Amino acid sequence: DTAVSQTPKYLVTQMGNDKSIKCEQNLGHDTMYWYKQDSKKFLKIMFSYNNKELIINETVPNRFSPKSPDKAHLNLHINSLELGDSAVYFCASSQTGELFFGEGSRLTVL
Amino acid sequence: GENVEQHPSTLSVQEGDSAVIKCTYSDSASNYFPWYKQELGKGPQLIIDIRSNVGEKKDQRIAVTLNKTAKHFSLHITETQPEDSAVYFCAAGGTSYGKLTFGQGTILTVHP
Repeated sequence: DTAVSQTPKYLVTQMGNDKSIKCEQNLGHDTMYWYKQDSKKFLKIMFSYNNKELIINETVPNRFSPKSPDKAHLNLHINSLELGDSAVYFCASSQTGELFFGEGSRLTVL
Repeated sequence: GENVEQHPSTLSVQEGDSAVIKCTYSDSASNYFPWYKQELGKGPQLIIDIRSNVGEKKDQRIAVTLNKTAKHFSLHITETQPEDSAVYFCAAGGTSYGKLTFGQGTILTVHP
């Protein structure tokens, strides 16, 4: 029974398209995150939501729009995809500090 | 904001040897220092963490030390095994809704 699950695992698309990644956690945590891992493995926080409220927005281009319909879900929608958006996107959740990560969604923009 | 530097970027050891990875951080307000292990194709997973009121913590073959004055912390793995091969990340934070800043990662390879 997966704690943090995200779909799709792989996404290949053309520049200019719009795509979404979905994330769900069944741990009952209040806080969820999106992290981006680039080709050099560097992990950088993008957004954080606490009980459906946006609390961290790390100067991410406004082409990226997170949405949290309830505290168990945090989706990421990306408009007008660019080559530089190619990366692995990780969803995570937390209650007391420890982050529980999903398996990642590898986005490739051609 | 917080800045975390991690060294070395790659580390190669023989099975049974010890491995040490070091991190420094910049924000003296940070009070939570976790270490994550990421295996190929998977998300990072917490292996050990330490809070600023503790100087050292051990869990079987893994230990973490923290020097708040010098703002550095280290991961020690003893009696390494091939399954320890992975990318290891340090992180610092705890001051703002659990926001963590990660180091650049260390690729550890344990040769049988």
